[in-house]
Amino acid sequence: EVQLLESGGDLVQPGGSLRLSCAASGFTFNNYAMNWVRQAPGKGLEWVTAISGSDETTYYADSVKGRFTISRDESKSTLSLQMNSLRAEDTAVYYCAREGATTTGLDCWGQGTLVTVSS
Amino acid sequence: SYVLTQPPSVSVAPGQTARITCGGNNIGSKSVHWYQQKPGQAPVLVVHDDSDRPSGIPERFSGSNSGNTATLTISRVEAGDEADYYCHVWDSNSHHYVFGIGTKVTVL
Repeated sequence: EVQLLESGGDLVQPGGSLRLSCAASGFTFNNYAMNWVRQAPGKGLEWVTAISGSDETTYYADSVKGRFTISRDESKSTLSLQMNSLRAEDTAVYYCAREGATTTGLDCWGQGTLVTVSS
Repeated sequence: SYVLTQPPSVSVAPGQTARITCGGNNIGSKSVHWYQQKPGQAPVLVVHDDSDRPSGIPERFSGSNSGNTATLTISRVEAGDEADYYCHVWDSNSHHYVFGIGTKVTVL
């Protein structure tokens, strides 16, 4: 069974840092591009960042560029998101999501992990 | 940056057809994906690449895309279809993915 399991969400002060992880199982991790998508409380989905499966090319939303870093560890089938200089507006549930093998559609999502930025 | 426009809400009676639009500049040239999200749950892909359905998604869900509008159609609507629906594209100009604001479908 294809599964994505996020962890690392927490309460952090503005200006602080946090690292999220997403453990993948049930598929060949390095064959797939991966994304982080977030959802602020009561709001819609916002794409955050993506990393390709082949050459690990990365893409970032303007709102997080320069503060967030996406990476992947193929040996552990794990996706990570390093978040620095956190702001109140980064408060959201963060989802890890897999792109399909032949589509840019996100065909598998984790259950999400909550990040709260507050003093 | 590329903008996707969705109506905030759509209401439909059971058994009828719901149509959710997603507007964007020349969106017909892009591949559009649609997600269903129920309260407290992660999104689920219901249509990808304009009109393809992932396995397990009922045939009642269909999609189309042309010109400046993509449409998700839900036929023979059921109470269980009540959810938020989001459109999603890859913008090759900005190298960004973009989501629409979401449409809340209410089954009357």
